[in-house]
Formats: sequence, C-alpha cells, structure tokens
Amino acid sequence: GAGVSQTPSNKVTEKGKYVELRCDPISGHTALYWYRQSLGQGPEFLIYFQGTGAADDSGLPNDRFFAVRPEGSVSTLKIQRTERGDSAVYLCASSLARAGPTDTQYFGPGTRLTVL
Amino acid sequence: AQSVSQHNHHVILSEAASLELGCNYSYGGTVNLFWYVQYPGQHLQLLLKYFSGDPLVKGIKGFEAEFIKSKFSFNLRKPSVQWSDTAEYFCAVNSNTGGFKTIFGAGTRLFVKA
Repeated sequence: GAGVSQTPSNKVTEKGKYVELRCDPISGHTALYWYRQSLGQGPEFLIYFQGTGAADDSGLPNDRFFAVRPEGSVSTLKIQRTERGDSAVYLCASSLARAGPTDTQYFGPGTRLTVL
Repeated sequence: AQSVSQHNHHVILSEAASLELGCNYSYGGTVNLFWYVQYPGQHLQLLLKYFSGDPLVKGIKGFEAEFIKSKFSFNLRKPSVQWSDTAEYFCAVNSNTGGFKTIFGAGTRLFVKA
C-alpha cells in the first residue's frame, strides 16, 4: 500500500518568507509526527498529533513554527519568517497508535528546506 | 535531560565481520527502545524494538539488540554483515509516561566493504 508522502520534496526560500510543508500519512493511521533532521544529526521531535489535536508540541522550537491537522489525516507544518537556521530535512511519520508509544512509526521521504 | 548517545559516528567493516553499534540513553521511567535504519535513497524504517519481556530482541535481516537496564544501553549486533547492510542506523527511545515524544541519537553510518 501507499506509504507516507511529503510535498514538496525540496523547498528553497529566502530568509523571512513563509513556508508550508505537507504530509499525507498512511491511510488509517491516527498518530502523526513531525521531526526535523539537521545535517549529521538524528531526527529531532517537533510535534505529535493524535487525530486532529496536537497531543504534544513540546518540540516546536519557537512560535514561528505551527502545525495543523484539521481533518485528522493530512498535516501541514507552517514556518513563518524563516531563518537560515531552519534549513533542514523535515520528516513526517505516522503510526496506528493502537499500542501507544511502542507503535512502529512509518516515515516519509522528507522535505529538504533550504533558507537562503 | 532526555538524550540518546551513539558512540560511533562512522563504522567501516568488511563483509562477514561482526557488528556491534553502541547506544546509551538517559530517560526517566519505563523506556521503549528502537533501532531504525536508513538505506541509501530510502526512508527511515524500523529494524527492531524493545518494550517488555526478553531483553534480547531479534529484528529483520539478522539484527538483534540487547537491552541492559543497569547500563542504560541498547546495543545493536549482527554476527556477519553483508554489503547490503551499508546504511545509517539510529537508536531511539521513548517512554510510556513521556507520551509519544521519541528521542533519536545522532546516527551511525555503516559502510560494508564487499
């Protein structure tokens, strides 16, 4: 079946601009996660959704970052007033959420964001 | 603070050599431990996980990992690596009391020479 998809695959923007990154989870997966991966680092947790609600947004670095999942499926990560330090690969993952934190997370291919 | 430490950033082995990748964590409460792998050009995928029971966990492709609670470790092992094991390996941890927030290590790049 179809896996997690993310669009765009690459995004180049200028400092100060607004960007939106989209994630389509696996059908039926109620849990959705956003991570940020900088060069040479592992994925860094940003936010977790259970259904439509953000159950844990403790990883969002500041108020320029916001994410929504209005219908409990597709999610959009929004970054305002982008800074060069926001450049990274943004990963999305989804899981069934039946077993809780022990669930296997299925990752998408990521969106590579470059802020010039 | 919650953290995961992977001791080796780069490992180079010849085919048929044995592999052990170190992972130590700092995380309060009962932990769930994972190893994820990213093959060249592919997405991150689960290799194996531990959450209870036998501390020696077997995963796909002949990999196994042992949870040693007293050492806060979850090392990944494989008795004989193949060229196709060339990939980046990430150790990760979360907790049943910490919600779904998962902390990843920085990763270990493994290159297996044919």
